[in-house]
Amino acid sequence: DAGITQSPRYKITETGRQVTLMCHQTWSHSYMFWYRQDLGHGLRLIYYSAAADITDKGEVPDGYVVSRSKTENFPLTLESATRSQTSVYFCASSSIAEVNSYEQYFGPGTRLTVT
Amino acid sequence: AQSVAQPEDQVNVAEGNPLTVKCTYSVSGNPYLFWYVQYPNRGLQFLLKYITGDNLVKGSYGFEAEFNKSQTSFHLKKPSALVSDSALYFCAVRFYGNNRLAFGKGNQVVVIP
Repeated sequence: DAGITQSPRYKITETGRQVTLMCHQTWSHSYMFWYRQDLGHGLRLIYYSAAADITDKGEVPDGYVVSRSKTENFPLTLESATRSQTSVYFCASSSIAEVNSYEQYFGPGTRLTVT
Repeated sequence: AQSVAQPEDQVNVAEGNPLTVKCTYSVSGNPYLFWYVQYPNRGLQFLLKYITGDNLVKGSYGFEAEFNKSQTSFHLKKPSALVSDSALYFCAVRFYGNNRLAFGKGNQVVVIP
């Protein structure tokens, strides 16, 4: 019963490098989300996906790319990392079944530092 | 557009005293409201939700929340706070038509022994 996992948990990278953060869920939830958490800003949505091969922008999508070829995976790529992308990144998933009523389940987070 | 406001950055309360964390919302359509808690270096954990029905919703760890439509509020409450309740609390509201949630900025709760 792994639930939702993220890897790596910690990452340090240099400005300009490409970085991919992984997210995997075992529930077959339709929806998946990527957030970043920064002091003073709370949680901000980067991208989300309603199903495999369907993705949409959130509040702060610039500089990020997502894909979703399989229901269980939702990787987030920083194409050319910048210091402003230093943050804690959370992945979440949710079901469309009415009984679950839209609550989201969160992964443990990835702390990314861009030097 | 859907949004929530958590007006206080930090709430300090003595152990054993009642705890209240405030949230007001703005939505199109019927509100689906949520509270989450985040402990240090962890992801968010679901506490409770209001979808429909009774205005007083009971959740995990002894928490409850009161939905007030006229005041557009969904305050989180606990009758007797524990030191272990010290954490960051987020209110959220669902976007109409999909599973997206809008989160507030969060409230740091500090329970003083």
